[in-house]
Amino acid sequence: EVQLVESGGGLVQPGGSLRLSCAASGFTFSNYWMTWVRQAPGKGLEWVANIKQDGSATYYVVSVKGRFTISRDNAKNSLYLQMNSLRAEDTAVYYCARYRGDGCFDPWGQGTLVTVSS
Amino acid sequence: QTVVTQEPSFSVSPGGTVTLTCGLSSGSVSTSYYPSWYQQTPGQAPRTLIYNTNTRSSGVPDRFSGSILGNKAALTITGAQADDECDYYCLLYMGSGIWVFGGGTKLTVL
Repeated sequence: EVQLVESGGGLVQPGGSLRLSCAASGFTFSNYWMTWVRQAPGKGLEWVANIKQDGSATYYVVSVKGRFTISRDNAKNSLYLQMNSLRAEDTAVYYCARYRGDGCFDPWGQGTLVTVSS
Repeated sequence: QTVVTQEPSFSVSPGGTVTLTCGLSSGSVSTSYYPSWYQQTPGQAPRTLIYNTNTRSSGVPDRFSGSILGNKAALTITGAQADDECDYYCLLYMGSGIWVFGGGTKLTVL
């Protein structure tokens, strides 16, 4: 079964840092682009970042560029999101998803909640 | 910055047909934007319905279909059922590795 499981969320103060992880199983992780998407409480989905199969290319939404870093460890079948200089507006459930090509993001993990508050 | 637009809300009668759209604040949506559609019930992760404009994801019933209608991407649901009542999001590829979701449509079946 193809599965993605996020972890690492929690409560952090403004200006703080947090590292999210996404453990992949059931498919050859190194063959796929991977993605982070977030959803603020009561709001819509927002694409956050993508990373190429070998990590050689990454892309970010403007609002997180310079603060967040997407990375991966293909040997550990894991995707990461290092989040620095966190702001209240970064409060959201963060989902990881596999990009299958042709605009298909599937499957999705169950999400991990990040709360930025003092 | 180009905004991806969706109807904030829509209503459909049980058994009826509804078409949700996904447009751009500037310009037209084409297949080059690789439009995809996601269904989300409260508290759950999104579920992939349609990708590459009109390809149904595995396990998605053929009541759901995607297309380009005029200058927008469209998701049509036929034979609406009570459990279709949830949020629907479109996603477009803007080029240069950037993807943008629409604001979502809250569908009511009543």
